[in-house]
Amino acid sequence: DGGITQSPKYLFRKEGQNVTLSCEQNLNHDAMYWYRQDPGQGLRLIYYSQIVNDFQKGDIAEGYSVSREKKESFPLTVTSAQKNPTAFYLCASSIRTGFERYGYTFGSGTRLTVV
Amino acid sequence: DAKTTQPPSMDCAEGRAANLPCNHSTISGNEYVYWYRQIHSQGPQYIIHGLKNNETNEMASLIITEDRKSSTLILPHATLRDTAVYYCIVGFSGNTGKLIFGQGTTLQVKP
Repeated sequence: DGGITQSPKYLFRKEGQNVTLSCEQNLNHDAMYWYRQDPGQGLRLIYYSQIVNDFQKGDIAEGYSVSREKKESFPLTVTSAQKNPTAFYLCASSIRTGFERYGYTFGSGTRLTVV
Repeated sequence: DAKTTQPPSMDCAEGRAANLPCNHSTISGNEYVYWYRQIHSQGPQYIIHGLKNNETNEMASLIITEDRKSSTLILPHATLRDTAVYYCIVGFSGNTGKLIFGQGTTLQVKP
């Protein structure tokens, strides 16, 4: 079955360390997105990518970095510059052409905790 | 970007219909209305979407007013497993494909 996979489900990081969250999709979707969710809050866009080797900052990109070397993969690195990284991170994908008719497919999320 | 307004919380009795409202008065002509739901600690799940006409699928019905300024998601026979946060989202931001999520409505289905 096609889908979008995030790993790991839970991740613990020491302060000052960088950490990379994985997102892989086999839906042949062109576009991929990273959102952050804090307790009791909605989703906020971190980065998005519409095609391979191209990505754009979202609303809260500071302290994060991404790469899009393959269509299937869109890893997110939470750097030590991110002041408050503890959150639930969600990856999503969508087709690019006619995306307004189809919406997003989401992964199951990674919960990052800084210890 | 078109914005949506939803009540922060609603209750519904198990087995009854749950009607979740959404206001989107600034929607433009080519923007769709999407509904997603998020069960605690999971990724959002697509429910339904529509442009102008009412839509129905195996999960829910979507009623969009004629002026498209508001819509209602209907879960015809709510179960305890329908307890979740429901997000009403309008359109995509420009041509980027970005979906803008608001705070959503927390639906509590009670026995």
